[in-house]
Amino acid sequence: NAGVTQTPKFQVLKTGQSMTLQCAQDMNHEYMSWYRQDPGMGLRLIHYSVGAGITDQGEVPNGYNVSRSTTEDFPLRLLSAAPSQTSVYFCASSWGTITDTQYFGPGTRLTVL
Amino acid sequence: GENVEQHPSTLSVQEGDSAVIKCTYSDSASNYFPWYKQELGKGPQLIIDIRSNVGEKKDQRIAVTLNKTAKHFSLHITETQPEDSAVYFCADKYIFGTGTRLKVLA
Repeated sequence: NAGVTQTPKFQVLKTGQSMTLQCAQDMNHEYMSWYRQDPGMGLRLIHYSVGAGITDQGEVPNGYNVSRSTTEDFPLRLLSAAPSQTSVYFCASSWGTITDTQYFGPGTRLTVL
Repeated sequence: GENVEQHPSTLSVQEGDSAVIKCTYSDSASNYFPWYKQELGKGPQLIIDIRSNVGEKKDQRIAVTLNKTAKHFSLHITETQPEDSAVYFCADKYIFGTGTRLKVLA
């Protein structure tokens, strides 16, 4: 199993550009989520999904969109990038809920100029 | 809103000594507290977790204790080794603490 994979590893955007961060898992997990990690602030939940076709907002959803058309994939879209979205983004998955073991991907480092 | 406070932010110990990291939470209804280890350039990895129906859980050199009355929980690492050097995060479900950078000095 590859586990949780994320692409790209690094990305530089200009303010106002849009892009999609990709996340995929091959463990047949129902629960998937996106976090951002900023220095000194730990990880903060952006969006999560409890299964295909179901998504919900986390702590810091503004400026981000998600969809879950398949069990395996959970892309995160930045519609109009802002410098405040410069961060490291992690995708995670688990069997069913947030209280099951979370498996994190390797992260995407995003810089918005 | 819910929050998790974590202390200390940095911790240096000699190899073979013990390390303790403490967290407090605000939601008295919380019932799941995971601990993650994050190595440089990698995603967090779950190392141990505890649920509110138990007071302590051990896994080899790692243990976690939970005091529901005081709303705090702690990570204990015994016989520390250089490979234990990393950033450790506590969490109340999906609410993360700010992390502790542990350095184990050889």
